Amino acid sequence: QVQLVESGGHLVKPGGSLRLSCAASGFTFSDYYMTWIRQAPGKGLEWVSYISSSGSTIYYADSVKGRFTISRDNAKNSLHLQMNSLRAEDTAVYYCAREGKYMDVWGKGTTVTVSS
Amino acid sequence: NFMLTQPHSVSESPGKTVTISCTGRSGSIASNYVQWYQQRPGSAPTAVIYEDNQRPSGVPDRFSGSIDSSSNSASLTISGLKTEDEADYYCQSYDRNILWVFGGGTKLTVL
Repeated sequence: QVQLVESGGHLVKPGGSLRLSCAASGFTFSDYYMTWIRQAPGKGLEWVSYISSSGSTIYYADSVKGRFTISRDNAKNSLHLQMNSLRAEDTAVYYCAREGKYMDVWGKGTTVTVSS
Repeated sequence: NFMLTQPHSVSESPGKTVTISCTGRSGSIASNYVQWYQQRPGSAPTAVIYEDNQRPSGVPDRFSGSIDSSSNSASLTISGLKTEDEADYYCQSYDRNILWVFGGGTKLTVL
């Protein structure tokens, strides 16, 4: 079935780095745009980044621009988010989502905690 | 920057109808499509409305969406409320740079 599974979330110290991955299955990954969305504990949803199907178009939220890098490997059906210079305010559950007319498939999320 | 404002919480009784508003600030709500996502505790969000008023497959017709340009707002209406509808609801659209914007979320209590 159509599925997205995030991984890579961890406890990391401020200033540290982390690489999140999202494994896609059950659909032609290379046909779809993909996004990362995060949710801080007890807070609402925040869009983080978007990548087009070929990877040629990329957008970032101002809050992560210059620190996070989105990428994808269509041969391996995988999406990634490289997160550098992490801050306490980056603590959140990170979801990857498939973008069609709307975000129609979401993963269950992976938890990133930034704390000393 | 374009922002979406939602009420923090709403409550209604089973069987009744509730409407959740989503007001655009610093931009026109009608300029881009609005989506609505439902998030139950401990779960990932799922879409209940896309492109202002379209229902994804499997979403009951008790859920409907609309846009009111005069008030610069979108609305999600849920009729025949069920206890299973209790969740957080988020509206989502795009700013003028075509970047994704979420409302702050509305907690729906069905009591």
